[in-house]
Amino acid sequence: GAGVSQSPSNKVTEKGKDVELRCDPISGHTALYWYRQSLGQGLEFLIYFQGNSAPDKSGLPSDRFSAERTGGSVSTLTIQRTQQEDSAVYLCASSAPYRGYTFGSGTRLTVV
Amino acid sequence: GIQVEQSPPDLILQEGANSTLRCNFSDSVNNLQWFHQNPWGQLINLFYIPSGTKQNGRLSATTVATERYSLLYISSSQTTDSGVYFCAVEQLKGLGSQGNLIFGKGTKLSVKP
Repeated sequence: GAGVSQSPSNKVTEKGKDVELRCDPISGHTALYWYRQSLGQGLEFLIYFQGNSAPDKSGLPSDRFSAERTGGSVSTLTIQRTQQEDSAVYLCASSAPYRGYTFGSGTRLTVV
Repeated sequence: GIQVEQSPPDLILQEGANSTLRCNFSDSVNNLQWFHQNPWGQLINLFYIPSGTKQNGRLSATTVATERYSLLYISSSQTTDSGVYFCAVEQLKGLGSQGNLIFGKGTKLSVKP
């Protein structure tokens, strides 16, 4: 597609429920990244996928967070047993070598 | 890990004024990007500029990789320039390889009419 697409744009969930966030990267981009941004804060790296290599999960804050990328394209970020501190905007980006990142519009997650 | 420092943290301008935002980084980099996050939260890629100078309309950027800093120039500022400007760097790896960007804390710009 023309840009990075994320869904849903907004998600309200009850504490303890699981959520899945989806990212559809730009076609042909080999790398895909997940970040989160809490209110008024900078961007916190979560995980990235590069081609067929094992993902870099070094930024995931706890084992409740996981992500997969199917067929080198669409990615899903899953948060299990959500907590209130998980509330944030979750941003996905994709990139190609020497082209820089393109971000999606994000998913605003609110845990109540 | 690599450190990214942006200055100033906050900036208020009168419409029409010029400004310079600075980004210092602590190690050699593969990639440096400037982003604008508008008031609706959308992150827009302004420049991919690991070295050299680029211009796009009223905006230009210069990265001096050997001295580990980058500058973003905004000329004739407009109210629509308001938002947060982020500098982000990727630590030096092999040619063509990609890694995660480390973001600075941003410069919050407010342009008054």
